[in-house]
Amino acid sequence: QLVLTQSPSASASLGASVKLTCTLSSGHSRNAIAWHQQQPEKGPRYLMKLNSDGSHIKGDGIPDRFSGSSSGAERYLTISNLQSEDEADYHCQTWGTGIWVFGGGTKLTVL
Amino acid sequence: EVQLVQSGAEVKKPGESLKISCKGSGYSFTNYWIAWVRQMPGKGLEWMGIIYPGDSKTKYSPSFQGQVSISADKSISTAYLHWSSLRASDIAMYYCARKEMSTTSDAFDVWGQGTMVTVSS
Repeated sequence: QLVLTQSPSASASLGASVKLTCTLSSGHSRNAIAWHQQQPEKGPRYLMKLNSDGSHIKGDGIPDRFSGSSSGAERYLTISNLQSEDEADYHCQTWGTGIWVFGGGTKLTVL
Repeated sequence: EVQLVQSGAEVKKPGESLKISCKGSGYSFTNYWIAWVRQMPGKGLEWMGIIYPGDSKTKYSPSFQGQVSISADKSISTAYLHWSSLRASDIAMYYCARKEMSTTSDAFDVWGQGTMVTVSS
């Protein structure tokens, strides 16, 4: 079964860096994923598509502070030089044949 | 500018029917799949189903099959999500999203602003 697992919450200080994790279920470690940001009271915004080899393609206008990487079944979103507007929920998404799956989301607090 | 613009918030009674819409602009609407995604209050995102406006081919999540129907009118670049009989458990924000046109990616790359559906007697 295709499942994505995310930690419910994370926090980091203004100006620091944070690395969020999305873990693919067994047997799906080669899947690409997408990361989406959802600021409070707003709809999701596509950040990037991230491949199993760590290569990633960002959406239009996404700052260089956002980057992705991969290791095995884990997919990471790293945000450097955290800004107050980065406080948001971050959702990972993947897909299979005729199905699409989201992780539970990680709520990022910027201290 | 590529955009998906959704219809406004709805307040309905249990048992009523409802159709919400998602209008695409700034791109060839016919050639991109449009998905619907549910977000219940305080919860994560759930994929409901997806439609290809070019031929109205649809796929549904097993969790939503038979609970909703998805349609599209390519002549007006609009996709729809329809309930025949709403329940209190349908209270949620509903988003439409465009699937990338790519042989290597099925990510959702453009999102609508969301439509809040409230069901209350």
